[in-house]
Amino acid sequence: DIQMTQSPPSLSASLGDKVTITCQASQNINKYIAWYQQKPGKAPRQLIRYTSTLVSGTPSRFSGSGSGRDYSFSISNVESEDIASYYCLQYDNLPWTFGGGTKLELK
Amino acid sequence: QVQLKESGPGLVQPSQTLSLTCTVSGLSLTSNSVSWIRQPPGKGLEWMGVIWSNGGTDYNSAIKSRLSISRDTSKSQVFLKMNSLQTEDTAMYFCARNSGHFDYWGQGVMVTVSS
Repeated sequence: DIQMTQSPPSLSASLGDKVTITCQASQNINKYIAWYQQKPGKAPRQLIRYTSTLVSGTPSRFSGSGSGRDYSFSISNVESEDIASYYCLQYDNLPWTFGGGTKLELK
Repeated sequence: QVQLKESGPGLVQPSQTLSLTCTVSGLSLTSNSVSWIRQPPGKGLEWMGVIWSNGGTDYNSAIKSRLSISRDTSKSQVFLKMNSLQTEDTAMYFCARNSGHFDYWGQGVMVTVSS
């Protein structure tokens, strides 16, 4: 199974900050990584697929990059509505696996 | 538009079998795949298994021996059955459309395993 090591587990930011979350896969995942936002009591919402493709409706302040085993997800100009948990997902190989999550809080 | 909705019992006794239903609309199960994903309280997401558009299935090896996913295409429903439930199976259970990644999700159903 491919392990996705996501860091940091938690992040504290001020409104307007830029934050970055990373996911490292245990092997090359050929850019097949997606990023999700989850708010308490809600289902995850897909933001990005295939490393850097924004899903329809995703604000442009979200971005993704990476290749091989190393990937990152950024939010520029954090807004209050961005306070949530974020997860990466590798979908290169079965079983599909998620990172452990990052909880973004307001400083 | 695409919608998925999970339903099932909120409480299951230990060692019993969990049965959940995912009812979809706005998509055909004969041309779309659906996965089940679960999330224990306060923890991360775990992919459980998928039923492909051709009716084939794949499961997470960690729970494969206990899990079965099936469907009724005429009713646009996907079913999850998992036996020998333990307290560690307490979680929110989601179904999601599989496009490689998971683009549409149901709201989830909370299942508590307790006597």
